[in-house]
Amino acid sequence: DGGITQSPKYLFRKEGQNVTLSCEQNLNHDAMYWYRQDPGQGLRLIYYSQIVNDFQKGDIAEGYSVSREKKESFPLTVTSAQKNPTAFYLCASSIGVGQGTYEQYFGPGTRLTVT
Amino acid sequence: SQQGEEDPQALSIQEGENATMNCSYKTSINNLQWYRQNSGRGLVHLILIRSNEREKHSGRLRVTLDTSKKSSSLLITASRAADTASYFCATPQGGSEKLVFGKGTKLTVNP
Repeated sequence: DGGITQSPKYLFRKEGQNVTLSCEQNLNHDAMYWYRQDPGQGLRLIYYSQIVNDFQKGDIAEGYSVSREKKESFPLTVTSAQKNPTAFYLCASSIGVGQGTYEQYFGPGTRLTVT
Repeated sequence: SQQGEEDPQALSIQEGENATMNCSYKTSINNLQWYRQNSGRGLVHLILIRSNEREKHSGRLRVTLDTSKKSSSLLITASRAADTASYFCATPQGGSEKLVFGKGTKLTVNP
């Protein structure tokens, strides 16, 4: 059963704490992405990775960090520097990159609430 | 970096009716994609249409692309309550690898 898994589905943290969101895929995809979704805002790209040990900033990378040590895994850390971290976070993967040509497969999302 | 923009923002119809959603974008593209998102879930890819295509079908879905007007439409025929979801268009951002999503159209199909 191939796909993308994100855990946990709901996450609660106190302000000032770092938190790491998990994203795993078994689709053998090279590219992986992290998006943030706020009500009425659509999806905004945080980071993306085209290959292991390499990643690029998206449009709203400040206050976030990622790693890509394995092809299957692309964890996202929301740091205390992120001013407004409460949001719905979506991980996605695609076979490759290139002019936005490839369809993206999405995980079920993690809803993070920081109080 | 908003590229695609859907219209209308919200649409409410009765089961059996057709639903049409539009997407406008700003720069030249080589393809445009449509996705669906059920409430609180991840997005699901529906259709990719390339710049040299004018129309594409998939089941009850029909997508058109007019590159001269920089617009696309998604038509869902004979809608069902299960079609209730948000629909997003996505376009490549200015020649980069990145895909940019619009804010979506929220479709409600009433039984």
